[in-house]
Amino acid sequence: DTEVTQTPKHLVMGMTNKKSLKCEQHMGHRAMYWYKQKAKKPPELMFVYSYEKLSINESVPSRFSPECPNSSLLNLHLHALQPEDSALYLCASSPDVGNQPQHFGDGTRLSIL
Amino acid sequence: GESVGLHLPTLSVQEGDNSIINCAYSNSASDYFIWYKQESGKGPQFIIDIRSNMDKRQGQRVTVLLNKTVKHLSLQIAATQPGDSAVYFCAETGPTDSWGKFQFGAGTQVVVTP
Repeated sequence: DTEVTQTPKHLVMGMTNKKSLKCEQHMGHRAMYWYKQKAKKPPELMFVYSYEKLSINESVPSRFSPECPNSSLLNLHLHALQPEDSALYLCASSPDVGNQPQHFGDGTRLSIL
Repeated sequence: GESVGLHLPTLSVQEGDNSIINCAYSNSASDYFIWYKQESGKGPQFIIDIRSNMDKRQGQRVTVLLNKTVKHLSLQIAATQPGDSAVYFCAETGPTDSWGKFQFGAGTQVVVTP
């Protein structure tokens, strides 16, 4: 079991739907991350939150909208996604940003019809 | 290394043997390195890290070696077990990368055979 919990584990949605991915950690970490991972590829960084403020947006399309309601929660709101957005979406956290390990959840497997 | 097509480099290891997984990095300014293990259907799991002021670090059954001269990182797994079957990623970051942005390697698939 990981200490970063992601829900749902699987999500199938149409291109016109709106859905949200959720991530929770109770390790007191102040940095949280969203990654996208395609099959047989390494994770690709999407967003970084530090102390609940968005620090990095890696030129992610606006159909992905992150939100950090508090220090334990991170959401990723999805709207009008494309089939190529089908992937594993991983959340991670670390005590702070910088040179330290990030702890990953097991991800949400997203399929866009 | 960089991935080619859809096939991950694969290391096939007999149970009980030692495994060595290699990673080349390109940024000479990188000063912090991590190895992750990703099992099928799971997220990456932290294994071990090393900072650039060291050239070797040992954990439980794992050793990471860093050669800054040739920009090479390796992970050694002693007495490989079936549970070690996974994809292994190296990752690097440094003073030119801010806010926890790691550069991940392409990954190596380790298959442990009985």
